[in-house]
Order: sequence, then structure tokens, then C-alpha cells
Amino acid sequence: EDQVTQSPEALRLQEGESSSLNCSYTVSGLRGLFWYRQDPGKGPEFLFTLYSAGEEKEKERLKATLTKKESFLHITAPKPEDSATYLCAVQATDSNYQLIWGAGTKLIIKP
Amino acid sequence: EAGVAQSPRYKIIEKRQSVAFWCNPISGHATLYWYQQILGQGPKLLIQFQNNGVVDDSQLPKDRFSAERLKGVDSTLKIQPAKLEDSAVYLCASSLAYQETQYFGPGTRLLVL
Repeated sequence: EDQVTQSPEALRLQEGESSSLNCSYTVSGLRGLFWYRQDPGKGPEFLFTLYSAGEEKEKERLKATLTKKESFLHITAPKPEDSATYLCAVQATDSNYQLIWGAGTKLIIKP
Repeated sequence: EAGVAQSPRYKIIEKRQSVAFWCNPISGHATLYWYQQILGQGPKLLIQFQNNGVVDDSQLPKDRFSAERLKGVDSTLKIQPAKLEDSAVYLCASSLAYQETQYFGPGTRLLVL
């Protein structure tokens, strides 16, 4: 069964303290892995798509990486405005290209 | 470029009442999705449209939920009658095509009392 698991469920960091969020997945055929950011009371906001193992993408303080079993979202020197829930979703080639979602990691950056 | 629009943003109803949500996707996007998101969980797909045809509605509780996308543009999702467990955020998303990146609207928060 296709599955996506995100860890940790919640992460509290001090401003400037770098860390990583994990998204592990099990799918029969991966077409792409998506990272979204969701602020309270808002819809998910698209961040990155990764398609193949070894691929990396960066945006400001965020860098996403992909292996054959998992993806990491690295946050370097985070600021309070990076506080949000980060959602990972996998698109499989054999399921109408629908997204299989993780439950998210709630990130809190304290000033 | 305008994003995905949804209305209303909030709705409070009594159980057994009916409610409808509206979504206008990004211009030119052929694929439209309705998701249900319960607090602390990822979105759950309810129904996917390609233009004005249904691609997948396997997780839509068809005894109480219905959705349509007339003319292949905007869409409505209806719940009738509502149950307490329908309290959630209802998200609409759209993409250029079914395999492309999905962009989300702000969601409608539904509370069923």
C-alpha cells in the first residue's frame, strides 16, 4: 500500500537553529514528491517538486533533497516567519497521479 | 495571476442542515480537486474533475456529498444532510493538467453543531 510518513510531528527550534524535516514514502512507482507549506487558516502553498533520487532544490532558507526512500527539508538559520506546518505528498505513476499526503510537521521557530 | 478562489471562508450549521461551497480555479486549469482536511491530518481527496468530467470520486460519501463542475470552470461541493464528523476544512485545488502541480485556495472552515 502506498504510504507517506512525516517526522517529527512537531519541532520547536530557536531562531537561527538549523534542522531537518523527514518524509519517508512507500510507493510502487514515484513520479514526483511535493513539499507544501501551510499557515494556520490558509490552504497549502507549493514549495518544491522533486522527481529523481539525488535531486535538490532550494528556496531562501529551505533546501529539499530526495533519495529512493525519503526526502528531507533542510531549514538553515530559520526565522520566526518560517513557523508553519510543512506537508509532504507523493505522486505515484499508477494512481491517476493523485497525491498521497503525509500528516505534516508543525514547525515553531522561537525568537 | 489570480489564485484559486473559495467561498464562503467560514460556515457554521446545525447537523442535518445542508451547505454548499464554491470554488473558482486558476484560469486555464483543466483539473480541479476538492479535499477534506481534518485538524492535524493531511488533505484527503474527495473528488477530482478533468474539465467538467469526474476522474475519481471513490472517497466521496455519495449518500450525502455531491459536486459538480458545470462548463469546466468553477465548481460547487454540497453536503446534505451534514453530520458532526463533517466538521473540517474543505480545500479546493487546481492544476494545468492532472499530473501537474496543484495550487490550493484558502479553504472553507465548516463547523457542524
